[in-house]
Amino acid sequence: EVQLLESGGGLVQPGGSLRLSCAASGFTFSSYAMSWVRQAPGKGLEWVSGISNSGGGADYADSVKGRFTISRDNSKNTLYLQMNNLGAEDTAVYYCTRNWGYWGQGTLVTVSS
Amino acid sequence: IVMTQTPLSLSVTPGQPASISCRSSQSLLHSDGKTYFYWYLQKPGQPPHLLIYEVSNRFSGVPDRFSGSGSGTDFTLKISRVEAEDVGVYYCMQTIQVPRTFGPGTRLDIK
Repeated sequence: EVQLLESGGGLVQPGGSLRLSCAASGFTFSSYAMSWVRQAPGKGLEWVSGISNSGGGADYADSVKGRFTISRDNSKNTLYLQMNNLGAEDTAVYYCTRNWGYWGQGTLVTVSS
Repeated sequence: IVMTQTPLSLSVTPGQPASISCRSSQSLLHSDGKTYFYWYLQKPGQPPHLLIYEVSNRFSGVPDRFSGSGSGTDFTLKISRVEAEDVGVYYCMQTIQVPRTFGPGTRLDIK
């Protein structure tokens, strides 16, 4: 059974940093591209970033480019999202997805002073 | 690529059909012959669940009352007979181009 478990969310002050993790199991992690999608409270879905199966290629939404970095460790079956210089507009539930059929339950990031 | 959905909300009597449309600002047909278009349902308090991939393919476990159709820039999700468990927000998405983009969502509730 495919499972994706996000962690690392929480309350952070504006300008701060967080690193999200997504632990994958039930499939050959290194064979699949992965992505992060977020959802602000009461709002729709927004794609944030994606990474190739090898980790050699990554893309970002303009809203996070230069602040967020996606990475993966195929030996640990884990996807990461390093988020720097966070602002209130980054407050959201962050989901990891195995493009595009399997999603985790999400982790909430709240940026507030 | 901008994704638009109509309607943005609909209320359906159980057992009746429902239809949601999605239009993309550019063609989603790739040179590899695939059309990179998806439908999701997000039930309250849950992550999105994939219903349809590449326009018309039902994802694993999706009931056959859900069907997808369309081509190029115009797509439709049909529910042949709505059930109470179909309540939630339906999103379309394209992955042919970065940034991947979603439609604004269509909220379905039961009359």
